[in-house]
Amino acid sequence: QKEVEQNSGPLSVPEGAIASLNCTYSDRVSQSFFWYRQYSGKSPELIMSIYSNGDKEDGRFTAQLNKASQYVSLLIRDSQPSDSATYLCAVGGWGGSNYKLTFGKGTLLTVNP
Amino acid sequence: DAGITQSPRHKVTETGTPVTLRCHQTENHRYMYWYRQDPGHGLRLIHYSYGVKDTDKGEVSDGYSVSRSKTEDFLLTLESATSSQTSVYFCATGSRGEAYNEQFFGPGTRLTVL
Repeated sequence: QKEVEQNSGPLSVPEGAIASLNCTYSDRVSQSFFWYRQYSGKSPELIMSIYSNGDKEDGRFTAQLNKASQYVSLLIRDSQPSDSATYLCAVGGWGGSNYKLTFGKGTLLTVNP
Repeated sequence: DAGITQSPRHKVTETGTPVTLRCHQTENHRYMYWYRQDPGHGLRLIHYSYGVKDTDKGEVSDGYSVSRSKTEDFLLTLESATSSQTSVYFCATGSRGEAYNEQFFGPGTRLTVL
């Protein structure tokens, strides 16, 4: 059974700070990694994809991947109250199962004004 | 974002009745998925489709069936609804089945089984 683990939170940060969200996964052959943002009562929205070791930056968001440690993280710089949401980590398989994702249970982020 | 719609958006039904949820996409994506989301469990895959008439089970498929007769439509049927199937159901689509398997979600259907 593939597992994706996230701290459930809540993670509380002040406005303007850096929020750091972490995720570990159990399947060593995983090849694709995603972060979704989900506002309360809404559907998940894809915000970042990462496939190679290292950092990937998109605006205020940076995804970091370390396959050796089976660890992926999301940094949100200059956090805003509008970033308050649940963040879901998702991991994709390899080969015949690479079009399926396994999701973590999510980390609730609260950004305080 | 993919144009994905789900219907109905809300439904209340009684135990033992059949229920069908519909997912419709306008992006010509090959892959389609049905998930349920419950507190404490996160998103769990029910069934998925990798092409017209090509479907397979996910991790929580018992009590559910699916059909895909057209690229744009993916139906989820609860054959005889139970209270444990009260949940929020999300449809998702994906355009690429190789390394870049991003998925995009519909707005969801909130189902209550009394």
